[in-house]
Amino acid sequence: NAGVTQTPKFRVLKTGQSMTLLCAQDMNHEYMYWYRQDPGMGLRLIHYSVGEGTTAKGEVPDGYNVSRLKKQNFLLGLESAAPSQTSVYFCASSDSGQPNQPQHFGDGTRLSIL
Amino acid sequence: KQEVTQIPAALSVPEGENLVLNCSFTDSAIYNLQWFRQDPGKGLTSLLLIQSSQREQTSGRLNASLDKSSGRSTLYIAASQPGDSATYLCAVYSGGGADGLTFGKGTHLIIQP
Repeated sequence: NAGVTQTPKFRVLKTGQSMTLLCAQDMNHEYMYWYRQDPGMGLRLIHYSVGEGTTAKGEVPDGYNVSRLKKQNFLLGLESAAPSQTSVYFCASSDSGQPNQPQHFGDGTRLSIL
Repeated sequence: KQEVTQIPAALSVPEGENLVLNCSFTDSAIYNLQWFRQDPGKGLTSLLLIQSSQREQTSGRLNASLDKSSGRSTLYIAASQPGDSATYLCAVYSGGGADGLTFGKGTHLIIQP
């Protein structure tokens, strides 16, 4: 059972380059989330989706775009990477917004912007 | 805005001790609270989820309690082992189908052999 899979696991970009991070889940979950983790800041929500074709902004959305064209995939895009976007990015999914439903996390993508 | 605080930020104890990690949150209107474990360079592993209507959850040597009215949760680890060394994260979900989890900054735990 793969759960939540993130690709790539590591990436180094130059300032101004663009890239897309892919999150795939095989649990048929409705809700998906993108977080970033920075030293001393904890995890913060970037964007989320409550179903196929929907997206919404989280706490720190600036500089990122997302798409949820298929239920199992949630893409995070950086159009013009900046050094401030150097971080570890985590994707998560949950079955619904019900109180008994935990969020399941992927292993993360470590992104460095030079 | 919900804020989550974890105390202590770091803890080092000898193997075999029982220990308590603390988590507090500012807004008691939560749906659930999750405790996670994170090993260095790894993702998050869910340990326990406590719904807002529950007082505690247990899994093996782990016991998590929730006092929603006072905005507090504790994670109790019994008979600690070196393999328990990791960062433990507390996160609350305020529901509404939106907004994701609000995380604390974690407690870095070292169990000395």
